[in-house]
Amino acid sequence: AQKITQTQPGMFVQEKEAVTLDCTYDTSDQSYGLFWYKQPSSGEMIFLIYQGSYDEQNATEGRYSLNFQKARKSANLVISASQLGDSAMYFCAMREGRGSTLGRLYFGRGTQLTVWP
Amino acid sequence: DTEVTQTPKHLVMGMTNKKSLKCEQHMGHRAMYWYKQKAKKPPELMFVYSYEKLSINESVPSRFSPECPNSSLLNLHLHALQPEDSALYLCASSQPWQSTGELFFGEGSRLTVL
Repeated sequence: AQKITQTQPGMFVQEKEAVTLDCTYDTSDQSYGLFWYKQPSSGEMIFLIYQGSYDEQNATEGRYSLNFQKARKSANLVISASQLGDSAMYFCAMREGRGSTLGRLYFGRGTQLTVWP
Repeated sequence: DTEVTQTPKHLVMGMTNKKSLKCEQHMGHRAMYWYKQKAKKPPELMFVYSYEKLSINESVPSRFSPECPNSSLLNLHLHALQPEDSALYLCASSQPWQSTGELFFGEGSRLTVL
């Protein structure tokens, strides 16, 4: 079974509008971390936001927020006030276990976001 | 600007060539990673180094040989590659004791094997 599922291969949004990118995950661990990365065409993976499994509040970083619904095992990324520069591939990822950052970061297949003027 | 620097950005090599990819970070991170990413696919973990020691090898073929000469540098030596090895190779680093554990990635080295 896939650890991370992103069901939207592509999304389109108009500039200044908000957009939600979906992510569901599968783990039996009680402790885990969820990440969103942005990958522009240049190739670099840019870290956007993190949510720990024990965090009670949804994570926010500027225009990015993570809608964490633990019972549903979903961790959707919300981008408010989209900008043309937000056009990129977005990956949801999960790390299982507490503490060490070593080990596997499981990635979803990604969502290609296109922002139009 | 990214704080993880990868060179070269582009590399074309024949199947009999020997080449190396290099990665450097000056953030004081003690864990470094190599990922392989094919077009329109997610990155796949290849190797993890922790405190300059290889801690994870994801059953990568021996034609890929990693090396971590010091805490700032990570190399990937390439020999007798196949055309299917053509991909974007991403280096990343992180701080082992940091609770969030986000990985910082470089821009990648785009490899083409002829």
